[in-house]
Amino acid sequence: AQRVTQPEKLLSVFKGAPVELKCNYSYSGSPELFWYVQYSRQRLQLLLRHISRESIKGFTADLNKGETSFHLKKPFAQEEDSAMYYCALSASSGSARQLTFGSGTQLTVLP
Amino acid sequence: GAGVSQSPSNKVTEKGKDVELRCDPISGHTALYWYRQRLGQGLEFLIYFQGNSAPDKSGLPSDRFSAERTGESVSTLTIQRTQQEDSAVYLCASSIQVEQFFGPGTRLTVL
Repeated sequence: AQRVTQPEKLLSVFKGAPVELKCNYSYSGSPELFWYVQYSRQRLQLLLRHISRESIKGFTADLNKGETSFHLKKPFAQEEDSAMYYCALSASSGSARQLTFGSGTQLTVLP
Repeated sequence: GAGVSQSPSNKVTEKGKDVELRCDPISGHTALYWYRQRLGQGLEFLIYFQGNSAPDKSGLPSDRFSAERTGESVSTLTIQRTQQEDSAVYLCASSIQVEQFFGPGTRLTVL
């Protein structure tokens, strides 16, 4: 069975500071990893997926298979980044399958 | 076009009553998912429909929970004899490939 762990429930940083949201996973196969974000009063939406290797809103995440991690990073946090962030894993790449979510990290960027 | 919609947005019911939650996916999306989000916890997978295949019901927590989907359209999640621990936000998502598009959720409160 797969599992996603986000060790920090709450994370606060000051505007302009670097931010890293941690995500570790356990899965015996080759997973596909995602970060979803939920801004206040908005729907959960996809932020980025490891397979596309994109930088979205200044965020990047690298899949480290050795450490089974997929940490989300941004060099200079902005106040509008304040949101709930979920790391998620799909046990099958390239097709629609159910996601296993972590418990989420609430990021607050202070002015 | 419209995104995923869910109704009702809020539902308050008494313990022991049955409730029915509705999800309208994005037109053309073959996959539909139901998740549950309890307060302070991550999203918990409930059930997944893919086209005409048999649904993946592996996440349903008990036989009080059931879901139906007509073709590639509307889905209903039914909870019979509700219990207080069923109180949560129930999220629906749809997809055509890997990225899932989420609805606004239904907040269920069981008194």
